[in-house]
Amino acid sequence: SQTIHQWPATLVQPVGSPLSLECTVEGTSNPNLYWYRQAAGRGLQLLFYSVGIGQISSEVPQNLSASRPQDRQFILSSKKLLLSDSGFYLCAWTTGVDTQYFGPGTRLTVL
Amino acid sequence: GDSVTQMEGPVTLSEEAFLTINCTYTATGYPSLFWYVQYPGEGLQLLLKATKADDKGSNKGFEATYRKETTSFHLEKGSVQVSDSAVYFCALDASGGSYIPTFGRGTSLIVHP
Repeated sequence: SQTIHQWPATLVQPVGSPLSLECTVEGTSNPNLYWYRQAAGRGLQLLFYSVGIGQISSEVPQNLSASRPQDRQFILSSKKLLLSDSGFYLCAWTTGVDTQYFGPGTRLTVL
Repeated sequence: GDSVTQMEGPVTLSEEAFLTINCTYTATGYPSLFWYVQYPGEGLQLLLKATKADDKGSNKGFEATYRKETTSFHLEKGSVQVSDSAVYFCALDASGGSYIPTFGRGTSLIVHP
């Protein structure tokens, strides 16, 4: 069966520090991968999606970036965090038919 | 562009009450429609889906019917439980195979014993 992992589960970082969040999927190949952010009291904001290795589409301009170095690995990064980057970050995957499967999320607090 | 509008929450109910969470959408073409549920501190899980007009999705006592004439996909449950307390997201996919879904803002449901 398919499994999706995210780490870390919780992260507290100072403003201006770098960020690296990792997501890996097991049990499937060539998935579409997604990064979402969920700010407090708000809905899901799609940040990036990827249909293959090295293929990244960005939905909104921001100081975040994403990379897909392997088929089932998706990384969200920042060189310098802002206060507004705080939120709940969710990774998701799909095989492209329908239905997304979400990871457990990373709670990021920028102080 | 595509959009999903959900009723604002929180929705507060007593156990065994009837639940309706409204969802309407705007989309080109013929989207697939979804309800996802997010329990506290967790990621989203698919609750149910419908892929064409008049289809009814159902799961765990929840139901929603794809109404093309009213562009709606309201979520209902006849008797809610405390364990149903969560945030519910309505979503659509009209991307024609690319699967770039559009989510509503979510509706928080609180069920009291």
